[in-house]
Amino acid sequence: YVLTQSPSVSAAPGQAVSITCGGARIGGEIVHWYQVRAGQAPVLVVYDDSERPSEIPERFSGSNSADTATLTISRVEAGDEADYYCQVWDSSSVHPVFGGGTKLTVL
Amino acid sequence: VQLVESGGGVVQPGGSLTLSCEVAGLTFSNYWMYWVRQVPGKGLVWVAHVSNDGAEVGYADTVRGRFTISRDNTKNMVHLRMTSLTVDDTGLYSCAGTVTTYFNYWGRGTPVTVSS
Repeated sequence: YVLTQSPSVSAAPGQAVSITCGGARIGGEIVHWYQVRAGQAPVLVVYDDSERPSEIPERFSGSNSADTATLTISRVEAGDEADYYCQVWDSSSVHPVFGGGTKLTVL
Repeated sequence: VQLVESGGGVVQPGGSLTLSCEVAGLTFSNYWMYWVRQVPGKGLVWVAHVSNDGAEVGYADTVRGRFTISRDNTKNMVHLRMTSLTVDDTGLYSCAGTVTTYFNYWGRGTPVTVSS
């Protein structure tokens, strides 16, 4: 199963930005999202398509439908600059599949 | 919760390394553990996994037969023995744990560079 992400996206502070993850009928899969800041461990920011861990700000939200899953960050901040990865579970085995990652640059 | 990887380094093609991940702050024996490789521009790639009791393991096609994953639930550690290394094995290797289909916990990773 292949997940496709745009290599990069940019936004000014205070703007909203959407990061997409494409896959065949991904709407039928459960999608999770991770934030990876330079030199740091990945952090789960959205799980089960649209759920948010308690420590993650409400500015982060997720959706999933048809062939595209989307991570939206409203009111982008400088600290949001990072690589973002989507992830699903390969249904034929027990291993994760990750997208190629999208680098968010805060202007 | 802390996951701390060690054992990375620079090795020549054909060489071997053993990575370790020490886990603290959770009930280790409940978690399936995974090794994931991160390469700039290529994203995150699953490498290997081991079930919570160690009975089941799995490997990506690119490493099967060369890498061996194991765990010690008495020491809260998971290991990745890597042999016959190639330049394509270069990357930052992170361990991650899960009880579902997403990863709550990750380490920062240990870098592996395969170069002559």
